[in-house]
Amino acid sequence: DAGITQSPRHKVTETGTPVTLRCHQTENHRYMYWYRQDPGHGLRLIHYSYGVKDTDKGEVSDGYSVSRSKTEDFLLTLESATSSQTSVYFCAISDMGVAYGYTFGSGTRLTVV
Amino acid sequence: QQQVKQSPQSLIVQKGGISIINCAYENTAFDYFPWYQQFPGKGPALLIAIRPDVSEKKEGRFTISFNKSAKQFSLHIMDSQPGDSATYFCAASETGSYQLTFGKGTKLSVIP
Repeated sequence: DAGITQSPRHKVTETGTPVTLRCHQTENHRYMYWYRQDPGHGLRLIHYSYGVKDTDKGEVSDGYSVSRSKTEDFLLTLESATSSQTSVYFCAISDMGVAYGYTFGSGTRLTVV
Repeated sequence: QQQVKQSPQSLIVQKGGISIINCAYENTAFDYFPWYQQFPGKGPALLIAIRPDVSEKKEGRFTISFNKSAKQFSLHIMDSQPGDSATYFCAASETGSYQLTFGKGTKLSVIP
């Protein structure tokens, strides 16, 4: 999707290892979000950021941490990956808040074995 | 607590038919209701959105109907086409909030 890139697109990792997913935007949008998508659960918010170094927890934040040192980058870290964190992770950006819509990235498919 | 309930979970419609997906919400402070469309392997994309000051919004073959008193809103896809086959998510948010609350999604299959 134009303006927002997630990396890697696919990753397989072992239980207990740390994993970092990256979201990079070129739109200079203030708000950035990390969601996970699982069958039967839809999209659930993990963490979000409303500015550089300003972050907050979402609905399913346990086991995850985030950092945003630059406007364009929002990192999601799984400190010690577990099988329950196998999921598709989406980053989203928004310029003026949710009322103007999100733009989602193409996702990262993470498998924890 | 699921704040936005979406139904059905899956839907099969004949080409040319009408697809209807329903959502109900609990939080009366919600004042923005978007629908997102997601194709396999892609991220969701904003399709259409409505605010509670209107009861209906139409964009091409896609219409949102909104019932504030019942706390329900729905997506109607007229003249459904195979290219509409995707997963649809309703969502809601309130003024001042940083985040959207999503329904669990509806997988729509339009068969020729």
